[in-house]
Amino acid sequence: AQTVTQSQPEMSVQEAETVTLSCTYDTSESDYYLFWYKQPPSRQMILVIRQEAYKQQNATENRFSVNFQKAAKSFSLKISDSQLGDAAMYFCAYRSARGQGNLIFGKGTKLSVKP
Amino acid sequence: EPEVTQTPSHQVTQMGQEVILRCVPISNHLYFYWYRQILGQKVEFLVSFYNNEISEKSEIFDDQFSVERPDGSNFTLKIRSTKLEDSAMYFCASTLTGVNTEAFFGQGTRLTVV
Repeated sequence: AQTVTQSQPEMSVQEAETVTLSCTYDTSESDYYLFWYKQPPSRQMILVIRQEAYKQQNATENRFSVNFQKAAKSFSLKISDSQLGDAAMYFCAYRSARGQGNLIFGKGTKLSVKP
Repeated sequence: EPEVTQTPSHQVTQMGQEVILRCVPISNHLYFYWYRQILGQKVEFLVSFYNNEISEKSEIFDDQFSVERPDGSNFTLKIRSTKLEDSAMYFCASTLTGVNTEAFFGQGTRLTVV
């Protein structure tokens, strides 16, 4: 069975600085997708960024980028120029390329942004 | 922008009572999911639903749970006899085609069993 591990329960960053959230996963599959979701206090899960395992190039979405290391099964999220609105829980998630599209989540990292 | 909507936002129920949580997925989506998040813990997959039947379920999704798409728009999760440990946030999600498309989540229903 696949597992997702986020080893940082809480992180803090100064506004305008850069922060990196860690995620590792375990799978025997070669084809899959990885995601970072943001959960603000409103509780709704919002997709931040996705990465297809077959792509070597790291995904980027504006201030958000990932460092995908397939051999190491590592998928970290870098947030540049952090803003107060980035404060939230961040969940790393895995989805098999087979099956019905369900997501396997890590335990999350609570990010605080200091003004 | 299309969105997944869930009702109610908060439900309080007595232990042993039946509850139905409702979701309206995005209209052209084909795959539907329920997830659960116990307070302070990670989000856990419960069940996926496609073509009017359960396509996959986790070990959490036991005989106390059932899902239904009664009218082509609503997608419901029923808990037959609630237990204290069923208290959690329940999230509905939908995807257009399953594995290679984005999952859109609703805002969740907070279920409190007393």
